[in-house]
Amino acid sequence: DQQVKQNSPSLSVQEGRISILNCDYTNSMFDYFLWYKKYPAEGPTFLISISSIKDKNEDGRFTVFLNKSAKHLSLHIVPSQPGDSAVYFCAARTQGGSEKLVFGKGTKLTVNP
Amino acid sequence: DARVTQTPRHKVTEMGQEVTMRCQPILGHNTVFWYRQTMMQGLELLAYFRNRAPLDDSGMPKDRFSAEMPDATLATLKIQPSEPRDSAVYFCASGARGYGYTFGSGTRLTVV
Repeated sequence: DQQVKQNSPSLSVQEGRISILNCDYTNSMFDYFLWYKKYPAEGPTFLISISSIKDKNEDGRFTVFLNKSAKHLSLHIVPSQPGDSAVYFCAARTQGGSEKLVFGKGTKLTVNP
Repeated sequence: DARVTQTPRHKVTEMGQEVTMRCQPILGHNTVFWYRQTMMQGLELLAYFRNRAPLDDSGMPKDRFSAEMPDATLATLKIQPSEPRDSAVYFCASGARGYGYTFGSGTRLTVV
């Protein structure tokens, strides 16, 4: 039972355009959401996060949007750069102090020059 | 630049053999996670520790997997006996009661 779903295994965009990566979740107890980026042969690295009390968090070229009613979040990268090519994982944490992160299966982003 | 160190980076072993993977968390981090990445399941949590005490190992097959933290600088994940379906990349991550965690580079395990 996948509680965090990334339905697009891959996404290809042109350099300079916007990349939008989507994530859906089913567990209404999730209160914190994170995006991780992973290059081949490396571990995931933290990118950006958002608390359930917010609907938007921005950090440079990266913005995460949260729609609680739809149980949906998205990561926007503007403008996209070839160095952004990686696998992006969405993750969520439940309320109550548990530190466990539940991950989606990832979306492979390719930014073409 | 603080990092989580995992050894070995790659391991090829025969079915039935014991495999031990090691993780050195970042100094001062008191929470340690073991994740497994497969194509089918993505990143699955196997176990996690806080202050060296196991808090949750529900994601781990108990009959063959075991996870320990003999001290604050070392976490181990052991598989005995190993099976081909255990082939995956195993990641260790550490954190300090924050919302994000630092991952190691992983151990790529192949069981033939």
